[in-house]
Amino acid sequence: SQKIEQNSEALNIQEGKTATLTCNYTNYSPAYLQWYRQDPGRGPVFLLLIRENEKEKRKERLKVTFDTTLKQSLFHITASQPADSATYLCASRTGGFKTIFGAGTRLFVKA
Amino acid sequence: ETGVTQTPRHLVMGMTNKKSLKCEQHLGHNAMYWYKQSAKKPLELMFVYNFKEQTENNSVPSRFSPECPNSSHLFLHLHTLQPEDSALYLCASSQDRLAGTEQFFGPGTRLTVL
Repeated sequence: SQKIEQNSEALNIQEGKTATLTCNYTNYSPAYLQWYRQDPGRGPVFLLLIRENEKEKRKERLKVTFDTTLKQSLFHITASQPADSATYLCASRTGGFKTIFGAGTRLFVKA
Repeated sequence: ETGVTQTPRHLVMGMTNKKSLKCEQHLGHNAMYWYKQSAKKPLELMFVYNFKEQTENNSVPSRFSPECPNSSHLFLHLHTLQPEDSALYLCASSQDRLAGTEQFFGPGTRLTVL
């Protein structure tokens, strides 16, 4: 079945460092991948979308890459801040027009 | 109000109760979604409505009954739920189902079934 997998272990990094989160997909070829941020007790908030023909996308301190050979997207936060602490979700649309989500990776940025 | 709102934010109900969750979007979107989010699991798509018509029912048990009276409002009617139905229920909207690129989520309803 079509699946998105994210590292279930929390990522702990020091303020100012670059956080890198991984999203792997299996059994399909998504036309695009999305990244969302979710804070405790709140709904996800859309951050970035990258299409299959784009290798890299940037928005302020955020950078997303899409490697169709590795079937993987990487999400980077440069110069991380404690306010970046949250759960980050990877999502994409399957061929049946459904959006599927990964379980998310919890990021903790220590001051 | 702006964005997507959901009420109530918290709900505790017994297995024999009947309750409803409400979602309203103020974005002029045509597609609305119900998701279930359990701890440490991916969001599970439950239902999709596009232009008020249900286009997806992701094998959801009949104890969950959606209703979409217009493009701005979405309800989830609950009856005879089970404890394993306890979760965060999220509503979302997007421009339409086919575009479906960016979804806007509400804050969710935290449901506890006793």
